[in-house]
Amino acid sequence: AQKVTQAQTEISVVEKEDVTLDCVYETRDTTYYLFWYKQPPSGELVFLIRRNSFDEQNEISGRYSWNFQKSTSSFNFTITASQVVDSAVYFCALSGGWNGNKLVFGAGTILRVKS
Amino acid sequence: DAEITQSPRHKITETGRQVTLACHQTWNHNNMFWYRQDLGHGLRLIHYSYGVQDTNKGEVSDGYSVSRSNTEDLPLTLESAASSQTSVYFCASSDANYGYTFGSGTRLTVV
Repeated sequence: AQKVTQAQTEISVVEKEDVTLDCVYETRDTTYYLFWYKQPPSGELVFLIRRNSFDEQNEISGRYSWNFQKSTSSFNFTITASQVVDSAVYFCALSGGWNGNKLVFGAGTILRVKS
Repeated sequence: DAEITQSPRHKITETGRQVTLACHQTWNHNNMFWYRQDLGHGLRLIHYSYGVQDTNKGEVSDGYSVSRSNTEDLPLTLESAASSQTSVYFCASSDANYGYTFGSGTRLTVV
């Protein structure tokens, strides 16, 4: 069975603080894909990143960075210098076997950035 | 441009009624999925399909059904709506090369 755990239900930070959202996953597949999605107050799901199980390189995109560690089954997401517009629900998700297979989502982390 | 659309965006129905939520995609994706989103649970998989005439149960399939008669559509039917099915429903489609697209969601309230 596959499982994604986002232990942080809600995080509040003040603007310009750095914040890390944790994601721990479980899977028996040797090939799998990990995702982060953002859900702003408007409700749509916005794709942020996809990482496959064979690529452990960390990735940086502007203020966003991701740390993938197979040894600890974690795929953490850091926002540097947070902004009010980062306030949203963030979901970590996993698909096993192949890209495009059914996604298993974590419960989500609500991020509130205060000015 | 290719898209995935859900209808209606909002619906209020009464307990015991049959309700169908529509999902239509023009991506020509073989894979389609229905999820429900509830606070504290994230998105949970209801049903999914890997192609025409193929349907599979997900984690929370009780009380729901789907059918796939063509590539574009995967309607979700609540056979007898219950208050526990009040939720936001998301449809998605995917293929191995492109990845996933999600609809804008349907907010269903069962009273």
